[in-house]
Order: sequence, then structure tokens, then C-alpha cells
Amino acid sequence: QSALTQPASVSGSPGQSITISCTGTSSDVGAYNYVSWYQQHPGKAPKRIIYEVSNRPSGISNRFSGSKSGDTASLTISGLQAEDEADYYCSSYTTSVTYVFGTGTKVTVL
Amino acid sequence: QVQLQESGPGLVKPSGTLSLTCAVSGVSISSHKWWAWVRQPPGKGLEYIGEMYHTGSSNCNPSLKSRVTISVDKSKNQFSLNLSSVTAADTAVYYCTTPNGFGFDPWGQGTLVTVSS
Repeated sequence: QSALTQPASVSGSPGQSITISCTGTSSDVGAYNYVSWYQQHPGKAPKRIIYEVSNRPSGISNRFSGSKSGDTASLTISGLQAEDEADYYCSSYTTSVTYVFGTGTKVTVL
Repeated sequence: QVQLQESGPGLVKPSGTLSLTCAVSGVSISSHKWWAWVRQPPGKGLEYIGEMYHTGSSNCNPSLKSRVTISVDKSKNQFSLNLSSVTAADTAVYYCTTPNGFGFDPWGQGTLVTVSS
């Protein structure tokens, strides 16, 4: 299984909105609404911020939102803050009954 | 609240077997949950290794399937990962986690395993 494709880096100024794409295939992202997103700060474990495409776990800021169209999922961070600077990964359940992660995106707050 | 903690050797020799354990607290490992392993080579992205249900059913990354064994120890409320025939490419931080709503949460803090002679 191939990793889902994400841009290597995305940047924005404080207060702006940015969007990270996650492109897969009809065997993963396109097959189910089981895409999740993770935020990872340096030296820390990943933290789930979105599950099932667009659901936010309790305690996650509503500045994070998710969506999906076809084989591509997206994470939008609105009102960008310095604390949002981190690596972000998407993940999808697959038709092979496994999971696959994205290549990862480094978000920089200018 | 589910908490996970990895443990095991930080150094493994090439061609040897990497063995890690994840202690589960806050819930019985026999609850209706899958238990999973994910790894992250230094400076690289996340890679799904595999998962196991407490009944013994398991799923695994096809690229690792021939070398991976995941097991559950109900008496100790923990689960384990064995990865055989390791090479330097298996050097990574290994995380234990659990699928929750088809997303992984929570995660252990991770443990770095280095493959070197």
C-alpha cells in the first residue's frame, strides 16, 4: 500500500487560514469516510484532531475542520496561531482492512 | 481513560528480533477494541505496522506481514510486537495505539529502537 500524498510544507501568517490536502485512491480515501488527521509537535506522540473525515474529538479547537471530495481529503486550519506550527498527518482505513498514513505536512507560522 | 506505555530494548542487532510491549491501563484489553502498532523512522513519516483484536484476529501492513507478530496477553493487560530479521531500516520510534472511530487514539509516548551492531 502506498502512502497518501500530502504537500511537504504549508505556511501562513497568524490569523490566516491554510488547507492541507491528502490524496489517496479509491481503495482508501475514496472508499470510506474513515479519514483521520493528526497533529505532531517535535518529540511528541501524534494527537488525533479529526476523525471520520470531519468530526472533532472533545477538546479540539473548532479552528480545525476536515472535508473530503472523491479520493482527496483536506484539513483546514483557520485563524492560524503560533501553537499550530507542527507536522500534520492524514490516515485512512483501506479496503485491505488496514490503515495507511499520509506523507506528512510541516506547517510553518510565519 | 485509556493510557498506553511502550517498553522494550532500545538497541537490537541486525538480523535479530525487535520485541516491544505495550501496557494498557484504564480499560481491559479484552474490551471491544483493537490494539495497534505504528512506527516513525527518525525525521520521517508515520507507518502503520498492524493491529490485533483480543480474540486473536489481526491485520498487518502487507510490506511487513512476513516479519510481524502481534500478540495479546490478557493476564497482564498488555500487547506485544515482534519484528524479525531487522535491519537499519527498522530503526524508528515505535508507538502503541488503538483504533478509535477508525482513527488512532490514544497513543503511547513512543520508544526509540535502534538497529545496530
